[in-house]
Amino acid sequence: DAGITQSPRHKVTETGTPVTLRCHQTENHRYMYWYRQDPGHGLRLIHYSYGVKDTDKGEVSDGYSVSRSKTEDFLLTLESATSSQTSVYFCAIRTFINTEAFFGQGTRLTVV
Amino acid sequence: TQLLEQSPQFLSIQEGENLTVYCNSSSVFSSLQWYRQEPGEGPVLLVTVVTGGEVKKLKRLTFQFGDARKDSSLHITAAQPGDTGLYLCAGESEYGNKLVFGAGTILRVKS
Repeated sequence: DAGITQSPRHKVTETGTPVTLRCHQTENHRYMYWYRQDPGHGLRLIHYSYGVKDTDKGEVSDGYSVSRSKTEDFLLTLESATSSQTSVYFCAIRTFINTEAFFGQGTRLTVV
Repeated sequence: TQLLEQSPQFLSIQEGENLTVYCNSSSVFSSLQWYRQEPGEGPVLLVTVVTGGEVKKLKRLTFQFGDARKDSSLHITAAQPGDTGLYLCAGESEYGNKLVFGAGTILRVKS
């Protein structure tokens, strides 16, 4: 295991409520990523981080925010969940660019 | 926004057949990776190609990076049922730290 944990693993929430997903690593890797996976779309990048408090947007960042206050934790927040954000969310970590990305087990989020 | 196009989206073949999956873009990448994903799991790296024209082999899998570093292919020889899964290509942006994925190819190998 690459020492990456996502929590929660499953969540059902109501439209309009805030939701925070957590990615925790024990590897001290610099880079952390949040993706969502939907049928027919592969993995789409939401936000990523290249260091503590250094984050940037990905392809589908609208409706999402992130924070990284320490190396080991990368939080993804849905400020006001919508049904279109029902998806499986994956966190990934990397030491350097051009190296292997290690993925968490995923979080299945359902917005009803 | 970089776009990685994978084809085909779905492939169903008999055991023993050969197949090729393609990953194309109009953008240049500093590297291209291929991952395989099983249901309920995160993707796992198969290979990273960095140099234009590079070819890497992993048993029955052959990976190629285009000369212009805009495209890549994955060729499987004599496919086996154990090759069944979702194959994803991922490109490292030439400037910055983004790792973006294609839509994936679902491969089903029937025995």
